[in-house]
Amino acid sequence: SQELEQSPQSLIVQEGKNLTINCTSSKTLYGLYWYKQKYGEGLIFLMMLQKGGEEKSHEKITAKLDEKKQQSSLHITASQPSHAGIYLCGAENTGNQFYFGTGTSLTVIP
Amino acid sequence: DAGITQSPRHKVTETGTPVTLRCHQTENHRYMYWYRQDPGHGLRLIHYSYGVKDTDKGEVSDGYSVSRSKTEDFLLTLESATSSQTSVYFCAVRQGANNSPLHFGNGTRLTVT
Repeated sequence: SQELEQSPQSLIVQEGKNLTINCTSSKTLYGLYWYKQKYGEGLIFLMMLQKGGEEKSHEKITAKLDEKKQQSSLHITASQPSHAGIYLCGAENTGNQFYFGTGTSLTVIP
Repeated sequence: DAGITQSPRHKVTETGTPVTLRCHQTENHRYMYWYRQDPGHGLRLIHYSYGVKDTDKGEVSDGYSVSRSKTEDFLLTLESATSSQTSVYFCAVRQGANNSPLHFGNGTRLTVT
């Protein structure tokens, strides 16, 4: 089966704190995608990682894929209330099917 | 914005009735997907399409059928709705070939009473 495990399931942080969300696969990933979902809305694409060791940043969010391409982390620096939502990692199998982790719910307290 | 419109946005229906959800895209994407999102289960793939009249099943396809008679529309039908199909349904499109991300619509909240 294809599974992505995310940790933690939920996170509550004070505004200004840094945080990390992890996504782990038992299989080598062809590509790893990070999404953010605001409550009651659709998923917004954040970043895509393809190569082992790859790191990408956008504003205060940095995503990394390990060398073995089985684990990814999403790091938010100096969190803000606008970062609140659900973060999901997703991956693709050889059949053009995408599957997702169960998500990490982030609350940022002002 | 990937030009995706899902309709309706909300629907309440009774057990046993047929229901059709529509996903419309304006950017000629080849791949289209239907997911359902439920607490504790995350997003699960129902069906997907890789071209007009070309569809395949996902991991939770039982009780659902799809049709894609033209590039821009991907329809999801619940032949006889059950309470277990109460969920939020998301359509997604893929903008390119391999190694390109999915882009999602805003979802349809379906309640089966």
